[in-house]
Amino acid sequence: SAVISQKPSRDICQRGTSLTIQCQVDSQVTMMFWYRQQPGQSLTLIATANQGSEATYESGFVIDKFPISRPNLTFSTLTVSNMSPEDSSIYLCSVGRIALAASTDTQYFGPGTRLTVL
Amino acid sequence: QQQVKQSPQSLIVQKGGISIINCAYENTAFDYFPWYQQFPGKGPALLIAIRPDVSEKKEGRFTISFNKSAKQFSLHIMDSQPGDSATYFCAASTSGSARQLTFGSGTQLTVLP
Repeated sequence: SAVISQKPSRDICQRGTSLTIQCQVDSQVTMMFWYRQQPGQSLTLIATANQGSEATYESGFVIDKFPISRPNLTFSTLTVSNMSPEDSSIYLCSVGRIALAASTDTQYFGPGTRLTVL
Repeated sequence: QQQVKQSPQSLIVQKGGISIINCAYENTAFDYFPWYQQFPGKGPALLIAIRPDVSEKKEGRFTISFNKSAKQFSLHIMDSQPGDSATYFCAASTSGSARQLTFGSGTQLTVLP
């Protein structure tokens, strides 16, 4: 498996500001994903972070609101821009297609970043 | 994303009992079906996964049953323990370069001591 860390673990932010969440993996991975999980709800895919190219966004999510960077095979960032209280959620990084892993289909999740927007 | 329907929403089981969570899907292109366990304040952790070429997979107290014709799969937790109390999510994905997961709505399991 992969060890995934996210920073910050939680934050409280003011409306209209932006927050950048970092995701670091201890091994090279092909796929990195960003999910949102609202309180008591399931996980919704925001985007696939592509190394060296623009992220692929799911319906309902746009680059201007959730810009993503993926500078290498072990690191990605998600920015939540111009935040509103509706953005209060847990943001999760996940990785897949880990090099030398037993299964290329398995996705592993980070611990999440709990964001509260006032 | 194609939908994956999960039931029940919540489940209360006595210690030592069997917990059963069910999922149904529509997209016949799904070919990988993992289950995740999530504790409060933590990210989801992979519990067990199955492919449609087998009807059952068992790992310790956890078993996935898969019915391809009915497009259903279920998680059975044998000898349920209070430490199993968590939220469980089924998921599904298709083959291909991305392997994005489509998640069920989740089941909150409570195992009473």
